[in-house]
Amino acid sequence: GNSVTQMEGPVTLSEEAFLTINCTYTATGYPSLFWYVQYPGEGLQLLLKATKADDKGSNKGFEATYRKETTSFHLEKGSVQVSDSAVYFCALMDTGRRALTFGSGTRLQVQP
Amino acid sequence: GAVVSQHPSWVICKSGTSVKIECRSLDFQATTMFWYRQFPKQSLMLMATSNEGSKATYEQGVEKDKFLINHASLTLSTLTVTSAHPEDSSFYICSAPRGRGGTEAFFGQGTRLTVV
Repeated sequence: GNSVTQMEGPVTLSEEAFLTINCTYTATGYPSLFWYVQYPGEGLQLLLKATKADDKGSNKGFEATYRKETTSFHLEKGSVQVSDSAVYFCALMDTGRRALTFGSGTRLQVQP
Repeated sequence: GAVVSQHPSWVICKSGTSVKIECRSLDFQATTMFWYRQFPKQSLMLMATSNEGSKATYEQGVEKDKFLINHASLTLSTLTVTSAHPEDSSFYICSAPRGRGGTEAFFGQGTRLTVV
């Protein structure tokens, strides 16, 4: 079956530090890959996505590249802000079924 | 604005009672919707797939008699937690993919259920 593995948190960074959250996946076929963000007390928001190999998703300074050869979709941001503090979920969508398989989530805490 | 609306956003109920959660797609038709459950500080786990006009498909380990799903129309799916117990307390989230074959899944705001 499909699975997503992402680095455990919490990740604590100072403002303006570089962020990497690792994500690897196992899937049959060619899934689409996503990063979702969940702010405290809120639902999930799509941060970025990539639908095929070598695609780069980007939004709000965050980036992730779909690497088929390493089955990875690592999330990066060059300079984090306090407002980026949230839980980040890596996920994949089996295009046949369209349900999402989520990673365990990584809590990011950015300190001023 | 939100394209999937979930209601209520939070509910407290007594043990043994039933709670209904609604999930509506606001500006598109959704023949399929998904229900997820999130325990505190954990990831989202798919509970079931709601299919308009047919029975829901439940994931392994999810009790279909406890979590009743009805996909009444192309824009509405409901999840009813029957005879709720404290262990059912959780965050429930619905999602709906838009468009045939589309890869975008829109999420509702989630419902925090507390059973006392």
